[in-house]
Amino acid sequence: AQSVTQLDSQVPVFEEAPVELRCNYSSSVSVYLFWYVQYPNQGLQLLLKYLSGSTLVKGINGFEAEFNKSQTSFHLRKPSVHISDTAEYFCAVGRGGYQKVTFGTGTKLQVIP
Amino acid sequence: DTAVSQTPKYLVTQMGNDKSIKCEQNLGHDTMYWYKQDSKKFLKIMFSYNNKELIINETVPNRFSPKSPDKAHLNLHINSLELGDSAVYFCATQAGGEDTQYFGPGTRLTVL
Repeated sequence: AQSVTQLDSQVPVFEEAPVELRCNYSSSVSVYLFWYVQYPNQGLQLLLKYLSGSTLVKGINGFEAEFNKSQTSFHLRKPSVHISDTAEYFCAVGRGGYQKVTFGTGTKLQVIP
Repeated sequence: DTAVSQTPKYLVTQMGNDKSIKCEQNLGHDTMYWYKQDSKKFLKIMFSYNNKELIINETVPNRFSPKSPDKAHLNLHINSLELGDSAVYFCATQAGGEDTQYFGPGTRLTVL
C-alpha cells in the first residue's frame, strides 16, 4: 500500500518570500512522485514529477522539488512566490503504468500582498 | 480546444434522483478516471478504465456506475442520489505508459 502525508493544510506567505510545502510518502516499493496544483474552481494540473534520475526536479512556474529517499520526502519549493501562486497544492504517489495514484490531502498556499 | 471536458459544470438535484455526468477527451489517451473531491478538498479515486475496460474500482457504492462507450468518453451515472454525494467530480486521463494525469474542469454536484 502507498500513502501520502501533507502535514500543512494551509501555508500563508508574503509575496516575494520563499515557500516550502512539505510532503512525505510511504510505500513498500519504488514510487513515482508528483505535485499538482489546483487553482480556484479548476481541475488539477501537473507542476512536476519525479520518475527516476536526478533527485532535484524542476517544474513549471518556477517550482522545484527534491526527492529524498532516506527521509521519504518530496518537498516543493519556490524561492519567491507571486500572488498568482495562491492555490491548492497536492502531492501524489504512484507506481507507474495503470496503477492507482494516491493523492495527499492538499496544502492551501495563501500569498499575502 | 479543451483536452478534457466535463458536462455539466454544475448540477443541482434532489435526493433520490438519478443523474449522469459526462467526460470527453481529445488527447487520444488510453486510460480515464473518475475522482471525487469532497468539501475538504480530499481527492479520492473512484474508477479507472483502460481501453474501455474497468481496471480500478475502489470501494464505491454500487449506486455509482461508470460507462465507457468508447476510448474518448467515460460517463458516470449515479442512482438514488444522497446528500453525501455532494462533491466535485473530476474526470482525468492518462496516456499509456505515461504517468501524468490530465484533469477536466470538474462537475460540482449538489444534492438537496
